[in-house]
Amino acid sequence: AQSVTQLDSQVPVFEEAPVELRCNYSSSVSVYLFWYVQYPNQGLQLLLKYLSGSTLVESINGFEAEFNKSQTSFHLRKPSVHISDTAEYFCAVSDDYKLSFGAGTTVTVRA
Amino acid sequence: NAGVTQTPKFRILKIGQSMTLQCTQDMNHNYMYWYRQDPGMGLKLIYYSVGAGITDKGEVPNGYNVSRSTTEDFPLRLELAAPSQTSVYFCASSYENYQPQHFGDGTRLSIL
Repeated sequence: AQSVTQLDSQVPVFEEAPVELRCNYSSSVSVYLFWYVQYPNQGLQLLLKYLSGSTLVESINGFEAEFNKSQTSFHLRKPSVHISDTAEYFCAVSDDYKLSFGAGTTVTVRA
Repeated sequence: NAGVTQTPKFRILKIGQSMTLQCTQDMNHNYMYWYRQDPGMGLKLIYYSVGAGITDKGEVPNGYNVSRSTTEDFPLRLELAAPSQTSVYFCASSYENYQPQHFGDGTRLSIL
């Protein structure tokens, strides 16, 4: 079974500063990777996905993640965060038709 | 298009009671899932289904049961509720293997 490690449980950051959330997964022949975001008292929403093709994937709200096969990583970055990015972020890897989730990283953006 | 709908949103149960958490999706997805979310633990898969009439256990199935009589509905039943089942429960669905899952807004369950 696949496993996912999110290396930071809490990331405080100032508004307009860059942020990086680190995610490592157990290696596999084929891998499909996802980042989900969870705002307070809501369900998870897909932020971006890597299924194949370009190793750099982008979301519509300025986040990007890079798939690095040699380092088995899928780190999430945003060059300039906003107060509204305060949320919990989950990295997930597809394991057949199931998802294995990391423990989550709470991002708190301060003015 | 409602997506994945879960009811109820909140519930308090007494130890030993039973209840059913409802989940329905209107996207004609074959795959459906139940997760529980506990602080600092991420999401753990309870049960999943790859189509009507087909269900299987996930990581943490003990104390729960599911059924899938239609494509749309995937209820989760708790028998003999225990304090360890206090959690937030999420239902999700996806169209096929390796595709992103769509989540409901969750059911917050407290067992006292």
